Amino acid sequence: SQQGEEDPQALSIQEGENATMNCSYKTSINNLQWYRQNSGRGLVHLILIRSNEREKHSGRLRVTLDTSKKSSSLLITASRAADTASYFCATFDDKIIFGKGTRLHILP
Amino acid sequence: EAGVVQSPRYKIIEKKQPVAFWCNPISGHNTLYWYLQNLGQGPELLIRYENEEAVDDSQLPKDRFSAERLKGVDSTLKIQPAELGDSAVYLCASSSPYQETQYFGPGTRLLVL
Repeated sequence: SQQGEEDPQALSIQEGENATMNCSYKTSINNLQWYRQNSGRGLVHLILIRSNEREKHSGRLRVTLDTSKKSSSLLITASRAADTASYFCATFDDKIIFGKGTRLHILP
Repeated sequence: EAGVVQSPRYKIIEKKQPVAFWCNPISGHNTLYWYLQNLGQGPELLIRYENEEAVDDSQLPKDRFSAERLKGVDSTLKIQPAELGDSAVYLCASSSPYQETQYFGPGTRLLVL
């Protein structure tokens, strides 16, 4: 399998805390994207970061990219119950490769 | 704006039977993707279309899977014959020529008995 790896595989935190997920990949990339998937539903795009960018923000989301280490991180600040979902990174170049995902659970 | 439409949402078949999934992308989206997602895993690309042309089908098991996108709009993915290991969720996504963001449909959950 060419799939990338998210770390951790599962994460449980209290509501209001910050959640950090990491993604490692193996190939060269044009851009890297993060998607969210609620249970039993399709994926929703969260944020895109290009290979020449190092950090990007969108609302409560912050994404970093380190192409020298072939890794990215997604930070969700001030987590909410609605953030409970699986989060996937996906790398885009001539191939499109999704990671295995991090299952995030926000505790009330 | 209507999202990506997939049907059926659920399908249960016996092994060795054929099955087909249908996808209608967002209007104006020329790129269409079919993914397979196993439980607890990320989506794996099966095939990517640019208009009518399949530009990446390297991961499509061509002995039993086939796909078509006539007229460059909606698409059909077929499995014949289905095997037990084909039980999974089949996701369709589309994107516009001006964005790299993919919009996903709700998926078809296939169970092969």
